[in-house]
Amino acid sequence: EAGVAQSPRYKIIEKRQSVAFWCNPISGHATLYWYQQILGQGPKLLIQFQNNGVVDDSQLPKDRFSAERLKGVDSTLKIQPAKLEDSAVYLCASSSLLRSLQLFFGSGTQLSVL
Amino acid sequence: KQEVTQIPAALSVPEGENLVLNCSFTDSAIYNLQWFRQDPGKGLTSLLLIQSSQREQTSGRLNASLDKSSGRSTLYIAASQPGDSATYLCAVVAGTALIFGKGTTLSVSS
Repeated sequence: EAGVAQSPRYKIIEKRQSVAFWCNPISGHATLYWYQQILGQGPKLLIQFQNNGVVDDSQLPKDRFSAERLKGVDSTLKIQPAKLEDSAVYLCASSSLLRSLQLFFGSGTQLSVL
Repeated sequence: KQEVTQIPAALSVPEGENLVLNCSFTDSAIYNLQWFRQDPGKGLTSLLLIQSSQREQTSGRLNASLDKSSGRSTLYIAASQPGDSATYLCAVVAGTALIFGKGTTLSVSS
């Protein structure tokens, strides 16, 4: 079974630029999560989708961050414009409806904002 | 608001030693608790999941316990090996998502 795929693995941008991350969850997993992990911290939930609907985006900085999951499969997370404090690893995870609290994580995208 | 704390932040032990990692949480109304392993530059790998009705779970050399009333969990690693070197994260389920601690970075020397 293929795992959660994320790209790119690394991204370096200047502040005020925009960036997008892509995630392909495990086939058949209805729930998809985006987490932000700042160095030395635990992951923090940004947004949770079930199919193509948003379940929780209470911690998503909506003035600069956006996410979509149009067909209920792949998802993109965008930051525009980026700030220095957005430097972090962005982790995507997915879970099935049957075992909704067993999350499988991708390897993440490491973002550096200069 | 649920908060998860892990102590110690870092731990160094010689190979073969048994060790305990600690996790505490502020709200005992959790659905389950999970322990994850994170290697540098990698995602998270689930190690053990303890349902709120359970007291412990075991997998190989790993044993995790849960005491909801005191808001504590421990991860016991027996006979540590250099390959166990990683960051270990504790997470509790609150609502529909996981809330993580900051992790304990373990270094096992040969």
